[in-house]
Amino acid sequence: QPVLTQPTSLSASPGASARFTCTLRSGINVGTYRIYWYQQKPGSLPRYLLRYKSDSDKQQGSGVPSRFSGSKDASTNAGLLLISGLQSEDEADYYCAIWYSSTLVFGGGTKLTVL
Amino acid sequence: QVQLVQSGAEVKKPGASVKVSCKASGYTFTSYDINWVRQATGQGLEWMGWMNPNSGNTGYAQKFQGRVTMTRNTSISTAYMELSSLRSEDTAVYYCARGREADYWGQGTLVTVSS
Repeated sequence: QPVLTQPTSLSASPGASARFTCTLRSGINVGTYRIYWYQQKPGSLPRYLLRYKSDSDKQQGSGVPSRFSGSKDASTNAGLLLISGLQSEDEADYYCAIWYSSTLVFGGGTKLTVL
Repeated sequence: QVQLVQSGAEVKKPGASVKVSCKASGYTFTSYDINWVRQATGQGLEWMGWMNPNSGNTGYAQKFQGRVTMTRNTSISTAYMELSSLRSEDTAVYYCARGREADYWGQGTLVTVSS
């Protein structure tokens, strides 16, 4: 079982909100980790969006709008990326990552379609 | 502004080695680790390892142990990633990224391994 699991795809309408999940493998407690989120548009390099561990330990990437935010769901052992007020330009692949056993582990990515 | 500028595309034969450079500017090079991440066409992000430019200390993903070497030249604020014994599966875009957050990324270097 992978360390991080992300749904392959997600669809949402312009103006709506999108909720991305990044589920940690059983036995790896989401509360312990900083979750990193990246956006990658087709043909472009990844862009750092934010880091979230708790409301007192979080960081927004440089120039990243506040409509991108992080959270956690302890009940499902998942990190969350929330995007409000979806725009067509938000259509991209979104990756989560954690530092686990001194390695940076990425999830498989979720493709967001805004339609 | 922070910039990471990578060397140009490479075409290599199986069994050869490739060395990709990543020149940093806009910040103190020795203050942030450099990560190397690769991405095959249509695939997700794969972390290869990190290097501390100050000490030269490195940490490699188990998958690349014995084949990858990360070095630096602090006088020119440049990090290097060398991958040996190349095979077709190593065909990918290779990125450098700054710090534990991987908050700034190079533009990517396409390495093509083909006979």
